[in-house]
Amino acid sequence: KAGVTQTPRYLIKTRGQQVTLSCSPISGHRSVSWYQQTPGQGLQFLFEYFSETQRNKGNFPGRFSGRQFSNSRSEMNVSTLELGDSALYLCASSLQGVGLRYGYTFGSGTRLTVV
Amino acid sequence: DQQVKQNSPSLSVQEGRISILNCDYTNSMFDYFLWYKKYPAEGPTFLISISSIKDKNEDGRFTVFLNKSAKHLSLHIVPSQPGDSAVYFCAASDRTDKLIFGTGTRLQVFP
Repeated sequence: KAGVTQTPRYLIKTRGQQVTLSCSPISGHRSVSWYQQTPGQGLQFLFEYFSETQRNKGNFPGRFSGRQFSNSRSEMNVSTLELGDSALYLCASSLQGVGLRYGYTFGSGTRLTVV
Repeated sequence: DQQVKQNSPSLSVQEGRISILNCDYTNSMFDYFLWYKKYPAEGPTFLISISSIKDKNEDGRFTVFLNKSAKHLSLHIVPSQPGDSAVYFCAASDRTDKLIFGTGTRLQVFP
């Protein structure tokens, strides 16, 4: 079956712009989480959605937002981009209630570079 | 405040030997722990998990040990293979779908 699909794979944006990243979870998975990976901070949790509702949120500024659609696809948006937002953004999905035991499946990520 | 710590940034092991990757945590509310492996330009791949009601879980060549009193867990890979060379992350959860990751340990398995 198809894995977690993230688009685009690479993106270059200018400071001050905004960006939208997309994630299509594995079919049947309704929980979608987003993470930011940077060399200095490792993987940091952004937010998690289930059935179009944000259930958990990490410690990121309000410039980072997300949403989930009725088909479980999710998008995250970063407004007023800063150089420090350059990172690999990863999306993960799981079936309800079993992610901790059987793991969350990650996509290959979107590499965002802010110049 | 790093709640999950992997103090060894790198580890080098000979093929066939045991690889031991360590992870420490500070939050006593964590009650589920996961290990992931990551190759460059790919997303992390789930390896194994353990709940706090257990002290050991194994799956093939991978075994995770949990010492709750020491707030320490370790991943053992036996025998190590060259294909195991990757960055390994431990992660913890307080029963929500929010994972707190360590900063990773780069494992290199040489022939």
